[in-house]
Amino acid sequence: DGGITQSPKYLFRKEGQNVTLSCEQNLNHDAMYWYRQDPGQGLRLIYYSQIVNDFQKGDIAEGYSVSREKKESFPLTVTSAQKNPTAFYLCASSMGYREAFFGQGTRLTVV
Amino acid sequence: SQQGEEDPQALSIQEGENATMNCSYKTSINNLQWYRQNSGRGLVHLILIRSNEREKHSGRLRVTLDTSKKSSSLLITASRAADTASYFCATDSSHIDRDDKIIFGKGTRLHILP
Repeated sequence: DGGITQSPKYLFRKEGQNVTLSCEQNLNHDAMYWYRQDPGQGLRLIYYSQIVNDFQKGDIAEGYSVSREKKESFPLTVTSAQKNPTAFYLCASSMGYREAFFGQGTRLTVV
Repeated sequence: SQQGEEDPQALSIQEGENATMNCSYKTSINNLQWYRQNSGRGLVHLILIRSNEREKHSGRLRVTLDTSKKSSSLLITASRAADTASYFCATDSSHIDRDDKIIFGKGTRLHILP
């Protein structure tokens, strides 16, 4: 089946630790996105990529890093510089000016 | 910055009634989309309306777009308990910075009462 897969579903991070969230799509979409959602809030854009080996910062990129080495994959690393990483992270992909397809999200908690 | 702002932030209605949510945005757009999110899940695309369209229907959903007022509305008719969710509008920002990024509003939390 075509779709977009995020893993893991739940992730726990210790203080000072980097963690990487996985996002894979087999929809052959060019564009991929990472959003952060805090409880009861909307989605804020962290990073996005229109093409392989290229990506741009969104509104809240500080403390995060990404790579786009393959069209299918857009992993997000939450670094120790992100002081308040506890949130729900959503990955999406789209083709041009069309609908975005979302993964089921990763819930990250600092312990 | 968030392009779209939904109104109201929360809405509770009786099952069977119609639900209307509004979205305002700040700059010119290529299209406007509405998404639904069940608690703790990813977003699901509902409907897309292009900037040259004024109204679009899909099942019990009706979307309008007024580009002169930079606003859109989502109407859900004959609401059901299963419609309880958060609803977001989203716009593409290609007119702002030539990048095809999708920006979401803060959402309307809809609760259908039995």
